[in-house]
Amino acid sequence: SQELEQSPQSLIVQEGKNLTINCTSSKTLYGLYWYKQKYGEGLIFLMMLQKGGEEKSHEKITAKLDEKKQQSSLHITASQPSHAGIYLCGAGPSSNSGGSNYKLTFGKGTLLTVNP
Amino acid sequence: DTAVSQTPKYLVTQMGNDKSIKCEQNLGHDTMYWYKQDSKKFLKIMFSYNNKELIINETVPNRFSPKSPDKAHLNLHINSLELGDSAVYFCASSPWDRPAYEQYFGPGTRLTVT
Repeated sequence: SQELEQSPQSLIVQEGKNLTINCTSSKTLYGLYWYKQKYGEGLIFLMMLQKGGEEKSHEKITAKLDEKKQQSSLHITASQPSHAGIYLCGAGPSSNSGGSNYKLTFGKGTLLTVNP
Repeated sequence: DTAVSQTPKYLVTQMGNDKSIKCEQNLGHDTMYWYKQDSKKFLKIMFSYNNKELIINETVPNRFSPKSPDKAHLNLHINSLELGDSAVYFCASSPWDRPAYEQYFGPGTRLTVT
């Protein structure tokens, strides 16, 4: 089965600083998803990456999938307190696949604290 | 309008009791899921239903029984609750024709077993 390892497990940064969270897979990634979770709330979809070398941005958050498709990084520029939360990477089939065995496998998450 | 809703949001109960968590989605999705997030924040899939049919059943004790009365609802019934069942349970849904595009998650139900 596929395993995802996230690093660091937790991160405390000062407001305005940049930061990076990594997600490494034990197998080739066909669909890599980034979610954000705030305490007591559900998961919020951030973005999905499929192709090796792909990079997507959403506001001040940028995610990349490396060429070999076994690692993804999430980069936040000029962090703000609103960025605080748990960031989870999830792996699943590509958006073009269907089938009965679809499911997302998640990493253990990275807890981000942004101090004002 | 809430896309994926769960009730209750908090559930505190004693060991041995039977409880249910309800989930409803108004997105018209065909596929619904139950995930469990334990105390270490590890999120893991439990079940998945497509059009009321069970398609994923991970290694989950038989005490957990999902029920899908229609494709907009997926309820989770837990018998003989144990301390280890304490966790946050998330319901999610996605369209079937593009199941990997994204899953929409509910707000979660925090279950505490005492």
